[in-house]
Amino acid sequence: QVQLVQSGAEVKKHGASVKVSCKASGHTFTSYYFHWVRQAPGQGLEWMGKINPTGTSTTYAQKFQGRVTMTRDTSTSTVYMDLSSLRSEDTAFYYCVRETEPYSSSSRLGYWGQGTLVTVSS
Amino acid sequence: AIQLTQSPSSLSASVGDRVTITCRASQGISSSLAWYQQKPGNAPNLLIYGASSLESGVPSRFSGSGSGTDFTLTISSLQPEDFATYYCQQFNSYPLTFGGGTKVEIK
Repeated sequence: QVQLVQSGAEVKKHGASVKVSCKASGHTFTSYYFHWVRQAPGQGLEWMGKINPTGTSTTYAQKFQGRVTMTRDTSTSTVYMDLSSLRSEDTAFYYCVRETEPYSSSSRLGYWGQGTLVTVSS
Repeated sequence: AIQLTQSPSSLSASVGDRVTITCRASQGISSSLAWYQQKPGNAPNLLIYGASSLESGVPSRFSGSGSGTDFTLTISSLQPEDFATYYCQQFNSYPLTFGGGTKVEIK
């Protein structure tokens, strides 16, 4: 079955960077788009961006342009989300999400990781 | 960015009730809408895609309708496991956006 296992909780200082990983299993890794969605504690969902199956193309929400980098490592079936210049408003759960359908970017967000809490302290 | 407005933001209902949640888009999005359910401490779960297509494994008491700017999620007979927060999401254009959520609580 499809599993997305994310890295553990992080506590970072204001201005630092964080890299969250998401190891995928139970499917052909190179066939699917992955997205990252975040959720501040007690708040709603916010889409950050996506990466294509080969890792050669990314689309980021304008809000995060210049601060976020999404990559993937085919050899370990892992996707990564790197967020820099952290501020208190970045404190949130970060979810990696795999699309339901292979090859096409339908934005059908069918499989979610367990979430990684990133806490930014001043 | 396309804004999605959900209403109500919260509601109280009893087991067996019919529940309707609405989602309004700031511009037309055809049928490019999905609904998710999120329970405390868990990641969201996709219920409906393409405004009205039920995801595999989702109980048939859930249904979605609408197109253009106005959409609804209906739970025909609320069950104890349905108490959760529900979000709509548009995939008509980037950035993908979500509604603010509707919390369904026990009356």
